[in-house]
Amino acid sequence: NAGVTQTPKFRVLKTGQSMTLLCAQDMNHEYMYWYRQDPGMGLRLIHYSVGEGTTAKGEVPDGYNVSRLKKQNFLLGLESAAPSQTSVYFCASTYGGNGYTFGSGTRLTVV
Amino acid sequence: AQSVTQPDIHITVSEGASLELRCNYSYGATPYLFWYVQSPGQGLQLLLKYFSGDTLVQGIKGFEAEFKRSQSSFNLRKPSVHWSDAAEYFCAVGYMEYGNKLVFGAGTILRVKS
Repeated sequence: NAGVTQTPKFRVLKTGQSMTLLCAQDMNHEYMYWYRQDPGMGLRLIHYSVGEGTTAKGEVPDGYNVSRLKKQNFLLGLESAAPSQTSVYFCASTYGGNGYTFGSGTRLTVV
Repeated sequence: AQSVTQPDIHITVSEGASLELRCNYSYGATPYLFWYVQSPGQGLQLLLKYFSGDTLVQGIKGFEAEFKRSQSSFNLRKPSVHWSDAAEYFCAVGYMEYGNKLVFGAGTILRVKS
């Protein structure tokens, strides 16, 4: 009963490098989300998906891309990392909005 | 636009004292309401949630929250705070339009003094 699994847990990138964060859920949830958490700002929605093959922009989508090729996976990509993307990233999923399951987070530092 | 406001960035209470953390939201209909707690370096733990029915909801660790529609508020309370309650608390609102998006407040950091 893994729930939501995020990989990697920690990563350090140089400015301009690219990377992909993986979120995997085993609960057959339709909806998946990527958030970033910064001090004093709570969690802000980057992108989300309402089902396999769909994606949509959240509050802070610039500099990120996502894909949902399989229902259980939601990938977050940074094509050219910037120091402003240093943050803690959380993935979440839900079946219908009345209960959300969060991953344990990915701490990303861009130097 | 949807928004969630937690007016207090920091709160300090004495151990054993009562606690109330404030949360206000903007939404036309009744949303889903949540309180999460996060200890330093950790993930989010759900304290309680409200969907419908009784406006006073009980959660884990002795917390409760009351939904007041007229005030668009969902304040979190605990009658007697323990030192282990020191953490950051987030109010979140689920908006049931397209996407079932969860919108978070900026958080309130709770400090407990002995």
